[in-house]
Amino acid sequence: DTGVSQNPRHKITKRGQNVTFRCDPISEHNRLYWYRQTLGQGPEFLTYFQNEAQLEKSRLLSDRFSAERPKGSFSTLEIQRTEQGDSAMYLCASSLMYSPLHFGNGTRLTVT
Amino acid sequence: EDQVTQSPEALRLQEGESSSLNCSYTVSGLRGLFWYRQDPGKGPEFLFTLYSAGEEKEKERLKATLTKKESFLHITAPKPEDSATYLCAVQASGNTPLVFGKGTRLSVIA
Repeated sequence: DTGVSQNPRHKITKRGQNVTFRCDPISEHNRLYWYRQTLGQGPEFLTYFQNEAQLEKSRLLSDRFSAERPKGSFSTLEIQRTEQGDSAMYLCASSLMYSPLHFGNGTRLTVT
Repeated sequence: EDQVTQSPEALRLQEGESSSLNCSYTVSGLRGLFWYRQDPGKGPEFLFTLYSAGEEKEKERLKATLTKKESFLHITAPKPEDSATYLCAVQASGNTPLVFGKGTRLSVIA
């Protein structure tokens, strides 16, 4: 068990560009979550998967955000046409059903 | 809507000075309340889950307690390595995603 792995750790992009982040969960975990965290705030829920099915998306999530989890293994989060307000730490977590979430160390996105 | 409020926002303690962090919550049917520790530049690290009022959990210098409206994280004789942000989160019944508070930033000075 190597924990939840996220790549890249840091991403700097220009406004209007598309970015994609990857998350590799703990291997036996069937649930995978994406959260976003800005400075001084707690993590904010974005979306989650059970196996390959996307079960819930935050109603606050812009249409520019999309996530996939092909074959119920790793997941990707894509942000299209990035805006400066998208600058944040993007956290991935995984779990078994009814067990605590285990977080990765996040991808820090800076949009210039 | 489920809500979590943590206080204080920041707390500065001398080494060995015990204190408590507060997490007040409103949730439609609590399935669980979670405490996490977060170091700068890292993801949250799981500490405790509490499921029902009256429950207590302990780990080293930390003890978490739960009532019907709030949870406390008691820190006994803290050390500088306990410095971190402590996050509280609730999960409503139905296995909905965790809702987090803003955290308490704890600094322990030697």
